[in-house]
Amino acid sequence: SQTIHQWPATLVQPVGSPLSLECTVEGTSNPNLYWYRQAAGRGLQLLFYSVGIGQISSEVPQNLSASRPQDRQFILSSKKLLLSDSGFYLCAWSQGRNTEAFFGQGTRLTVV
Amino acid sequence: AQTVTQSQPEMSVQEAETVTLSCTYDTSESDYYLFWYKQPPSRQMILVIRQEAYKQQNATENRFSVNFQKAAKSFSLKISDSQLGDAAMYFCAYRRNTGNQFYFGTGTSLTVIP
Repeated sequence: SQTIHQWPATLVQPVGSPLSLECTVEGTSNPNLYWYRQAAGRGLQLLFYSVGIGQISSEVPQNLSASRPQDRQFILSSKKLLLSDSGFYLCAWSQGRNTEAFFGQGTRLTVV
Repeated sequence: AQTVTQSQPEMSVQEAETVTLSCTYDTSESDYYLFWYKQPPSRQMILVIRQEAYKQQNATENRFSVNFQKAAKSFSLKISDSQLGDAAMYFCAYRRNTGNQFYFGTGTSLTVIP
């Protein structure tokens, strides 16, 4: 069966520090991968998605970037965090075009 | 980007009663998919139900059913015989058939009153 791992679960980082959140999927190949951010009262905002290695699409221009170095690995990064980067980050995957998205456990990021 | 609107930030229901959560969406596509996700306090997103736009029959999953009105671009979720474990945030989501992105509404926080 397929599983998705996302880490860390919680992170507190100072303003101006770098960020790296990692997500891996097991039990499938060539998945679509997604990074979402959830802010209070604003639902889930799609940040990046990827349909293959090295293929990244950005939905919202911002301080963050994403990379997909391997088929089932998706990384969310920042060179210098802002206070506004605080939030709950969710990684998700889907297979093909007629399936739902499956989510990781999420990362609570607090920028101080 | 597509727009998904959930106009009810908060809802409450008595245990064992029925509640309906509303969702509307904006699209020019004719073929797409709609979903309801549940996010309990653990924050794990769980799929509740899905609906293919080409299907006229409303999807059902045990106590959960939808009222899909394609012309009105409305996709409401009905929870029957509400249980305490149904308390959660509920998100409506949209995905067009030819795309890869999932777009979510802002969510409805459901409280179940014992």
